[in-house]
Amino acid sequence: EDKVVQSPLSLVVHEGDTVTLNCSYEVTNFRSLLWYKQEKKAPTFLFMLTSSGIEKKSGRLSSILDKKELSSILNITATQTGDSAIYLCAVESATGNQFYFGTGTSLTVIP
Amino acid sequence: NAGVTQTPKFQVLKTGQSMTLQCAQDMNHNSMYWYRQDPGMGLRLIYYSASEGTTDKGEVPNGYNVSRLNKREFSLRLESAAPSQTSVYFCASSQDRSGYGYTFGSGTRLTVV
Repeated sequence: EDKVVQSPLSLVVHEGDTVTLNCSYEVTNFRSLLWYKQEKKAPTFLFMLTSSGIEKKSGRLSSILDKKELSSILNITATQTGDSAIYLCAVESATGNQFYFGTGTSLTVIP
Repeated sequence: NAGVTQTPKFQVLKTGQSMTLQCAQDMNHNSMYWYRQDPGMGLRLIYYSASEGTTDKGEVPNGYNVSRLNKREFSLRLESAAPSQTSVYFCASSQDRSGYGYTFGSGTRLTVV
């Protein structure tokens, strides 16, 4: 059964801390892994990863894929209260052209 | 504003009632999707439409039907609502099947009592 598991489920940190969010997957015929940020409403796209070992970076956020370990991490440095959100990981399977989402990591950044 | 528009934003139904969730996008995207999001379950694909005129089942299609009315609109119908269908529903669209181009609607919170 295809599945995506994120950890931790929730995290509370202080402003300025660095956090690492994890995503592991068991998905048939892997095509890509995506990270989304979900605040009050709809998820918004952060990164798409297809190749192992190549870091994607956007400001204080970065992400990397390890196809050998079937996992990805999302790092956020110097966290701010605006980073408080649910972070979703999704893995695309070329079989049936489906995306499988993890349950998300809820991040709360305290001033 | 360009994007994906879902209606209604909130809905309460009684068990057995029917309703249609509407979704429209103005980005000329080919693919459209319906997801449901439940606590502890993440986003799960209900149905998708890779192009106008085609629809396919996703992970959790039971109890739902869809219609791709035209390129812009993709509706989700609950024929006989059940409490297990209480959820937040998201419509999304993309130019192709890549999640890179996903644009989500703002969601519909549905409660079935």
